[in-house]
Amino acid sequence: GAGVSQSPRYKVAKRGQDVALRCDPISGHVSLFWYQQALGQGPEFLTYFQNEAQLDKSGLPSDRFFAERPEGSVSTLKIQRTQQEDSAVYLCASSYQGAPQHFGDGTRLSIL
Amino acid sequence: AQKITQTQPGMFVQEKEAVTLDCTYDTSDQSYGLFWYKQPSSGEMIFLIYQGSYDEQNATEGRYSLNFQKARKSANLVISASQLGDSAMYFCATSGGSYIPTFGRGTSLIVHP
Repeated sequence: GAGVSQSPRYKVAKRGQDVALRCDPISGHVSLFWYQQALGQGPEFLTYFQNEAQLDKSGLPSDRFFAERPEGSVSTLKIQRTQQEDSAVYLCASSYQGAPQHFGDGTRLSIL
Repeated sequence: AQKITQTQPGMFVQEKEAVTLDCTYDTSDQSYGLFWYKQPSSGEMIFLIYQGSYDEQNATEGRYSLNFQKARKSANLVISASQLGDSAMYFCATSGGSYIPTFGRGTSLIVHP
């Protein structure tokens, strides 16, 4: 497809499990952003890539969160030892340059 | 650091009327951007409009216009001729030179016939 693709669309995990969320940006887009959106809130910045370089990870809430984009295209957000407060929608966005313009549909993560 | 304040948790408007969604911002950067996004109930975030801090003219995109008042640190979104499909959450955001937007809490807009 032509848009940003995220998978899975929904993920349910037990507390303590590890999860991996995938983002396929629009082809050729240099910038890639991850945001976390809790219910009823605005998106909160997690991390930003320019090609394969992770230029800003200041929004990652703890060292349990890790993101990578090894070849400058697909990105994976990994959460280790999940906790209930990790339950949220995780949004990925990409742009050719500058601020995010194209968002995926998000992954809704529920931790039981 | 940037901060966005959206004081209207919910707004109601009749179809075909205009509506203004309020946004004030705070930033320590001299150069910054202002954004509005729409999020329907389906969840996808849709970019609507952008205003640069040095742009003298207010940005417009179709039925959307951004009423930028720099001295008041205000960046209100005006939607003209509302349509039923405009019902959604609307988020104001600002970024400094890093191009990483900081979002507000959003305003829910309901357009009724």
